[in-house]
Amino acid sequence: EDKVVQSPLSLVVHEGDTVTLNCSYEVTNFRSLLWYKQEKKAPTFLFMLTSSGIEKKSGRLSSILDKKELSSILNITATQTGDSAIYLCAVLSGSARQLTFGSGTQLTVLP
Amino acid sequence: SQTIHQWPATLVQPVGSPLSLECTVEGTSNPNLYWYRQAAGRGLQLLFYSVGIGQISSEVPQNLSASRPQDRQFILSSKKLLLSDSGFYLCAWSVPPASPLHFGNGTRLTVT
Repeated sequence: EDKVVQSPLSLVVHEGDTVTLNCSYEVTNFRSLLWYKQEKKAPTFLFMLTSSGIEKKSGRLSSILDKKELSSILNITATQTGDSAIYLCAVLSGSARQLTFGSGTQLTVLP
Repeated sequence: SQTIHQWPATLVQPVGSPLSLECTVEGTSNPNLYWYRQAAGRGLQLLFYSVGIGQISSEVPQNLSASRPQDRQFILSSKKLLLSDSGFYLCAWSVPPASPLHFGNGTRLTVT
């Protein structure tokens, strides 16, 4: 059975801090790893990682995949209160129809 | 551009009543469509996915069913709701073979 594990489950930081969120996976026939941000409603897509060692960056957020270690990290620098959300990691595997989600990291950024 | 509509946004239903949640996608053809459930604001559990009209795959045995009567329409149903059906239901779409999933705004279902 495919498994995606995220850590930590929750994190409280102050504005300006840098955070690193972790995601590890055990899946059959890995295709790609995705990160989503979820505030109150729909998860919004952040990154899709397919190749090892290539960093994807969007503003203060960046992410990298390590296929050898079966893991990925999501970094957020200079955090802001608007970064408070649940960050979800998901892995696309098999026939690319299956997206398995981790349980998420609840990030709270205090002013 | 593509958009996804999901309704209703919230729903309170008594135990034993039927359920119908609807999702439609605009701006794309032959998408993969998905229903997920999220309990307690955490990880998403895949309930059903569909790669075409009338083609439904169920991921977990449950009290729910799904149908895809048209290319861009996906419906989640139940004949008789249970308390355990309460949760946040999300519809999503993707472009085959392996694009990211894009989610609707979800339906918060409370079964009383």
